[in-house]
Amino acid sequence: QKEVEQDPGPLSVPEGAIVSLNCTYSNSAFQYFMWYRQYSRKGPELLMYTYSSGNKEDGRFTAQVDKSSKYISLFIRDSQPSDSATYLCAMSGSWGKLQFGAGTQVVVTP
Amino acid sequence: EPEVTQTPSHQVTQMGQEVILHCVPISNHLYFYWYRQILGQKVEFLVSFYNNEISEKSEIFDDQFSVERPDGSNFTLKIRSTKLEDSAMYFCASTSDSPLHFGNGTRLTVT
Repeated sequence: QKEVEQDPGPLSVPEGAIVSLNCTYSNSAFQYFMWYRQYSRKGPELLMYTYSSGNKEDGRFTAQVDKSSKYISLFIRDSQPSDSATYLCAMSGSWGKLQFGAGTQVVVTP
Repeated sequence: EPEVTQTPSHQVTQMGQEVILHCVPISNHLYFYWYRQILGQKVEFLVSFYNNEISEKSEIFDDQFSVERPDGSNFTLKIRSTKLEDSAMYFCASTSDSPLHFGNGTRLTVT
């Protein structure tokens, strides 16, 4: 079983729709959960991070962590074409050594 | 906002040659990392570095790889004898006590 599973997509949504992304994981030692956005041939850009379980909201973005189910989610409200990118989940027992998901390619069509 | 800076953005080298990838981490950060991403694959951890020594490394980081912090600002990754399978994006990252900040990477092409 892979440590972090993420559907690679692509996920295509119309502008204004809600984008729903998720990852599952197997390692119960993970405490830090992050979402990064990556544009083609660029570095991962931090979007959201959460320590342990719970929800966190930042503007149009909401991150959720359910440690009992080993499941994390990212929601993007009112999606824009500029949100088109690959979204990577990442998690770890500390800030540094991250386990990444495969990334989900999101396409927001005008 | 402070950034992690990586140079060069693209490096082409021949198999068997040595390459050095350069990174300038965010200035007040204490922990430094190298990750790599082979085209179409996951971002993978290579090595972490703290207090002038390697704190952890993955099984990918074999004897062909080395890291160095030659001065107070630079952090380098050296691949001694490159192989075709070393072709990838290499990302430097740094942190103090927060999520990692990544640079935009060096695309290494080994021919």
